[in-house]
Amino acid sequence: DADVTQTPRNRITKTGKRIMLECSQTKGHDRMYWYRQDPGLGLRLIYYSFDVKDINKGEISDGYSVSRQAQAKFSLSLESAIPNQTALYFCATSEGFGETQYFGPGTRLLVL
Amino acid sequence: GQSLEQPSEVTAVEGAIVQINCTYQTSGFYGLSWYQQHDGGAPTFLSYNGLDGLEETGRFSSFLSRSDSYGYLLLQELQMKDSASYFCAVRPLSGSARQLTFGSGTQLTVLP
Repeated sequence: DADVTQTPRNRITKTGKRIMLECSQTKGHDRMYWYRQDPGLGLRLIYYSFDVKDINKGEISDGYSVSRQAQAKFSLSLESAIPNQTALYFCATSEGFGETQYFGPGTRLLVL
Repeated sequence: GQSLEQPSEVTAVEGAIVQINCTYQTSGFYGLSWYQQHDGGAPTFLSYNGLDGLEETGRFSSFLSRSDSYGYLLLQELQMKDSASYFCAVRPLSGSARQLTFGSGTQLTVLP
């Protein structure tokens, strides 16, 4: 079984819709992250969480929100999706300081 | 702030050796990490250099020189399965997030 799972794997939605991407992990790590990947731009950090009570904004948090429901679960929401949020979204976990991160399989999101 | 530069593409033949460079402009960081990503899949951790010098893991080696603001990933005995994108990343010492920041990635193509 995968250590970091993401659902859904693919999603098509329309402009203005609210959607949630979910991430679960069985690695027992306290730290979880959400990244966005666009072609040619690498991975950019949206939000990160060091534990259930700790949520922090990353480089590109505008238009996104997150919820850390438990140590093992970290969800990303787009309150009102727009086309330029079309991207590949990755969840990741780490222990320690975060140089070694473990990524989920990704969610490919298309906003029409 | 921090800026990481990598070549966008590198091509080599099977069995050869290839070096992927990463140059950076940053006020200070904990270390240099490398990740591999196959075509839209999950990035996977390859190596970490916390200190200057060479780290070797099987066919892959990574090098860091803080005085030269430079690092590289060296892949030996290239195999077709090494065709992937490779990202360098640093975690800065200062700044609002101090979380892993990725370069834009280098697409390696291994030819038969």
